[in-house]
Amino acid sequence: GAGVSQSPRYKVTKRGQDVALRCDPISGHVSLYWYRQALGQGPEFLTYFNYEAQQDKSGLPNDRFSAERPEGSISTLTIQRTEQRDSAMYRCASSPRGNTIYFGEGSWLTVV
Amino acid sequence: GENVEQHPSTLSVQEGDSAVIKCTYSDSASNYFPWYKQELGKRPQLIIDIRSNVGEKKDQRIAVTLNKTAKHFSLHITETQPEDSAVYFCAASIMYSGGGADGLTFGKGTHLIIQP
Repeated sequence: GAGVSQSPRYKVTKRGQDVALRCDPISGHVSLYWYRQALGQGPEFLTYFNYEAQQDKSGLPNDRFSAERPEGSISTLTIQRTEQRDSAMYRCASSPRGNTIYFGEGSWLTVV
Repeated sequence: GENVEQHPSTLSVQEGDSAVIKCTYSDSASNYFPWYKQELGKRPQLIIDIRSNVGEKKDQRIAVTLNKTAKHFSLHITETQPEDSAVYFCAASIMYSGGGADGLTFGKGTHLIIQP
């Protein structure tokens, strides 16, 4: 596709459920980043991949959060046993190789 | 880890005047400093960036300056127009010579309001 694609765009889930958020980066982009953005705040780094290798996961809030990019393209961010404090916009971004980072539209997660 | 502070949180200027937003960073290893513009309900979009081997970069009405010694960088917008109204974020990261870059650390954002 022409840009970074994320799905679902909106997700409402009950507390305690697991959710999986998908990111399809721009074709050929080596690096893929996950960020979380609360209303009125800047994006907060979560984790990133070069190809299929997870380079840094220091931003993941706790062990309920995990991410994978098994074939070096599509990535999934999984949140287990969701809590209300997980409610936020989750943004994926990709980059050719450490150059300009292009953000996706994001996935709005609401935990009720 | 890196910490980026951004000021002011809100900036209101008259149309046609200049706007300046300032950021400081903590990690002296950071060498890449982009600025993003985010309109309401939309994704952040890169407007300009600077690397640590230069002190200033300009693109039409937008310029960025970097002081590595003081660890601060600034965004300057001249001849502001109504469409400049948005939230602006500064960010910092380490970009590697062989390619690749660490995740960006963002400031908290500046809400720029252009008064007609």
